[in-house]
Amino acid sequence: KNQVEQSPQSLIILEGKNCTLQCNYTVSPFSNLRWYKQDTGRGPVSLTIMTFSENTKSNGRYTATLDADTKQSSLHITASQLSDSASYICVVSEENTDKLIFGTGTRLQVFP
Amino acid sequence: SQTIHQWPATLVQPVGSPLSLECTVEGTSNPNLYWYRQAAGRGLQLLFYSVGIGQISSEVPQNLSASRPQDRQFILSSKKLLLSDSGFYLCAWRRVLSEAFFGQGTRLTVV
Repeated sequence: KNQVEQSPQSLIILEGKNCTLQCNYTVSPFSNLRWYKQDTGRGPVSLTIMTFSENTKSNGRYTATLDADTKQSSLHITASQLSDSASYICVVSEENTDKLIFGTGTRLQVFP
Repeated sequence: SQTIHQWPATLVQPVGSPLSLECTVEGTSNPNLYWYRQAAGRGLQLLFYSVGIGQISSEVPQNLSASRPQDRQFILSSKKLLLSDSGFYLCAWRRVLSEAFFGQGTRLTVV
């Protein structure tokens, strides 16, 4: 069964600190993987997209990595800001059906 | 540029009342349209998707229905709401192999 699992479920960090969110997936065949940021009560917004051949991609203070062999991805946030408080959702696309498989998300809270 | 509008943002409805949530997309044509429900602590659950006018596919059996009367309009409906229909509903559009763009969501509370 195609699944996407994220850890931790929730995370609290202090402003200015770094953190790393994890995503493990069993989706096969794999097309691409995206990280979305979802503010409370709002729709998710795409942060990065990674295809099979990409190992790392950055978007400002966000850096995503992908290991297609172990089927793991991480999202690293550098020098966290209060505005980073949100849920981060890992979404994997299945190649044959183009179906999106959503993780349950990591709830990040950044405190001053 | 493309934009997606979803309304209302919040809705409180009594059990047994009807429901109509609307979603429209601007700046693109023939998009694939989706309705998702997001429960607290759980991932997005796909409810319906549409690849064209009048074409609706349902992912899970439920008390809801969807319609696509126009190319860029997607409507989520119910004739009689249940308490279990409460949740956060998201409309999205995308093209094949591209990212999904989400609306701002509707918080539905059935009382």
